[in-house]
Parts: sequence; structure tokens; C-alpha cells
Amino acid sequence: DTEVTQTPKHLVMGMTNKKSLKCEQHMGHRAMYWYKQKAKKPPELMFVYSYEKLSINESVPSRFSPECPNSSLLNLHLHALQPEDSALYLCASSQAVASKETQYFGPGTRLLVL
Amino acid sequence: GQQLNQSPQSMFIQEGEDVSMNCTSSSIFNTWLWYKQDPGEGPVLLIALYKAGELTSNGRLTAQFGITRKDSFLNISASIPSDVGIYFCAGLDYGGSQGNLIFGKGTKLSVKP
Repeated sequence: DTEVTQTPKHLVMGMTNKKSLKCEQHMGHRAMYWYKQKAKKPPELMFVYSYEKLSINESVPSRFSPECPNSSLLNLHLHALQPEDSALYLCASSQAVASKETQYFGPGTRLLVL
Repeated sequence: GQQLNQSPQSMFIQEGEDVSMNCTSSSIFNTWLWYKQDPGEGPVLLIALYKAGELTSNGRLTAQFGITRKDSFLNISASIPSDVGIYFCAGLDYGGSQGNLIFGKGTKLSVKP
């Protein structure tokens, strides 16, 4: 089973709202990732968690706040977003953070910021 | 930074035709991955390549890891309408402990029945 699940599938929020995106995997993977994807572009890395610790933050604005409560779950807390933050947010996981570890993606959350 | 050059950007083919797309890089990668993405969905892994020169098949799909570690191709034989989508190559950062996945810009495939 190589399934990564994400909720919600769609989210519409105002610029003053606070919302959270959730990601879950039960493959025993110890690395989890958040990516942002704009239309007709490849995914862009936002955050990497390795063994529940943040190992990479790709200069993401503080209005995006990741959290890894345990090895199976990854959250992305959203606050005071801008319309340009509208995108598909993808979660991925891999066995570990290493150069031979395949990343498996979830279906994504389509976010619209009004 | 590292970049992957993926070509072609788009392809319009007839059902039954074979398809070929490739990625090149100025940097060495330790792993090459090929993903397919349908609109509004996440990328789905098609083939993973871990060794230089490796040739791997998955049904009608065949991919190769270039011997120089700087390129890879994906072939699809006898295309069918459900092959429509965007195909991304991705390389895992060589020697990196950070697992940075570098994506190509994608090849959009359209299949005419």
C-alpha cells in the first residue's frame, strides 16, 4: 500500500481565516513533505520533516506553519493567507530523507484564498 | 541551482502511437523518478530508477537511467486515451541527505482517439 491521504480535498478561505490541511500515511515512512503547486507548473518544495523534526523550510512565509504530531500525520496550518497563495497543496512521504528514497504523493488539497 | 530540462513541453498524438519524452540535467542525480499527474490530482509514481544504465518497464511504460546519471527517458508504447495527462521527471539530489526532489517542467500529453 503506497497511499497518502489528504483532507480536505477542496478549501475556500478568506484572508482573515485560520484553517489547517491534514496529511496521513500508514506506510511507516519517517519523512514527510509539503509541496505547493501552481497551475501548469511542477510542485515546489515547502517543508521537509524527518523523524517528526523539521529539517527543511524553503523560505516559506510564516503564514504557513507546519506541524508533525506523530510519524503518520503532517499538518499545515494556514493563517492570514493572500490570494496568490491559492494553489494545489501536496503532501508526500518517503521511507527516509535520502537520495534513493522514492516520494509518494497524496491527491492534494485545492486551496482558494478570496 | 539544479535544473531539469524536460522535453517536449507538449505532445498531440494519435491513439496507438508510441511516445517518447526525456529529461536532461547539468548535475548528477542518484535517483530518477517519473510521475503522471491528472488535473486536480497529486502526481502518481510510474517508474523509479536507482542505478545508472538501469532500464525498467511497467506495462507499456519503459524508462532508462542514463549512464552519465544526467539524463533519463520515458517511452509509452501503443498509447491509449487514458494516457492523457502531464508527465513529470524528477531527480533526487545526488549525495544529498535532504531528499530534495527536483522536478522537470512537465510534458503534457494529449491523445486523439
